[in-house]
Amino acid sequence: EAEVAQSPRYKITEKSQAVAFWCDPISGHATLYWYRQILGQGPELLVQFQDESVVDDSQLPKDRFSAERLKGVDSTLKIQPAELGDSAMYLCASSPESGDYYNHYGYTFGSGTRLTVV
Amino acid sequence: AQKVTQAQTEISVVEKEDVTLDCVYETRDTTYYLFWYKQPPSGELVFLIRRNSFDEQNEISGRYSWNFQKSTSSFNFTITASQVVDSAVYFCALSEFSNTGGFKTIFGAGTRLFVKA
Repeated sequence: EAEVAQSPRYKITEKSQAVAFWCDPISGHATLYWYRQILGQGPELLVQFQDESVVDDSQLPKDRFSAERLKGVDSTLKIQPAELGDSAMYLCASSPESGDYYNHYGYTFGSGTRLTVV
Repeated sequence: AQKVTQAQTEISVVEKEDVTLDCVYETRDTTYYLFWYKQPPSGELVFLIRRNSFDEQNEISGRYSWNFQKSTSSFNFTITASQVVDSAVYFCALSEFSNTGGFKTIFGAGTRLFVKA
């Protein structure tokens, strides 16, 4: 079964350092999402891509977070500088839909990257 | 505005008991989708079911069943004869079409289910 690949699986970093996460969606999936999940809460959307274009980054703290999906395939999420409050699970998800109003299939999630900032 | 409420933070049952996880949502759209996902300790969210707003038929899949009622804006999930492997956090989610393109999905806070042997 096709999977969404994420790496690293775990990351410990010191505050003020830079950290990056990588995601490779299911082949052919046009839409890619980055979610942040704080312990004990539901996932919250950080950024949504349609192919290589950002569709929604309204919840992305742009002073320290950046995301790119240069060729419309894999994606990188970066935090610089990391803060203690950034400790969370970062989940990547992909979906085959192409923005059609009448079709929404839900997402396939990766296993996530658990970030601990010390 | 979109909102998903899962009022039950934690539920603990003994194996073979039936358990219902509640989900109440708010939306202004007439077209929307509802989902349930399971998050085992490994962390990955696993898709369980999708339901669109025009399909109020209840669904059964093995020991799982879902009750969608638009009149009460609820989409509840029942596990029959629970098993230890059902222990996980379960999330209800609501998707609406966004004016920026594509669907925007919000998740509830989740319900942690403990099934004891």
